[in-house]
Amino acid sequence: DVKVTQSSRYLVKRTGEKVFLECVQDMDHENMFWYRQDPGLGLRLIYFSYDVKMKEKGDIPEGYSVSREKKERFSLILESASTNQTSMYLCASSSLRDKIEQFFGPGTRLTVL
Amino acid sequence: DAKTTQPPSMDCAEGRAANLPCNHSTISGNEYVYWYRQIHSQGPQYIIHGLKNNETNEMASLIITEDRKSSTLILPHATLRDTAVYYCIVRLAGGTSYGKLTFGQGTILTVHP
Repeated sequence: DVKVTQSSRYLVKRTGEKVFLECVQDMDHENMFWYRQDPGLGLRLIYFSYDVKMKEKGDIPEGYSVSREKKERFSLILESASTNQTSMYLCASSSLRDKIEQFFGPGTRLTVL
Repeated sequence: DAKTTQPPSMDCAEGRAANLPCNHSTISGNEYVYWYRQIHSQGPQYIIHGLKNNETNEMASLIITEDRKSSTLILPHATLRDTAVYYCIVRLAGGTSYGKLTFGQGTILTVHP
């Protein structure tokens, strides 16, 4: 069974902390994505990566950075967490050859106090 | 990518067909229609996609009008587990999009016993 896993389901951090959200996929997918989901705003793309060490900004990259050192792992970094980054964060992956289906992880609900 | 319009909510009785409409009047000739759904507390899940022909898989059927300006997702025998937010997404199949998805607000489908 194919899987996208995220390091935590729930996370509570304080303002100013550096936060790492980890995502791992076991499907050998080239593409990986980070979204955030907020009530009334839907899912919004933060960053995506189409290869190791490659990254592209999505629609709302401000305040975030990413790292892709290995094909299976894509990390989202909040350099200095702020309360407006409280959200549900969703990771997804897809094949470069077959870009039809994105497989999503279960999400990490991050609360910044 | 073309914008989509969906009703904010719909109800359906268990065992009946659920027909979820989507308008995408600005769709271009090489854009596909995708449907995803998101069950509460889970990541989105791919359902089906199509270009201009009707499509069917084990989960649902997709009916695309001849002018491609609208489509309908059909769940033939809705169950309580089909209660979810359903997203209609239109995007290019190829190019440099790397499979980016732009999620709108979706339709909240509630299946009643």
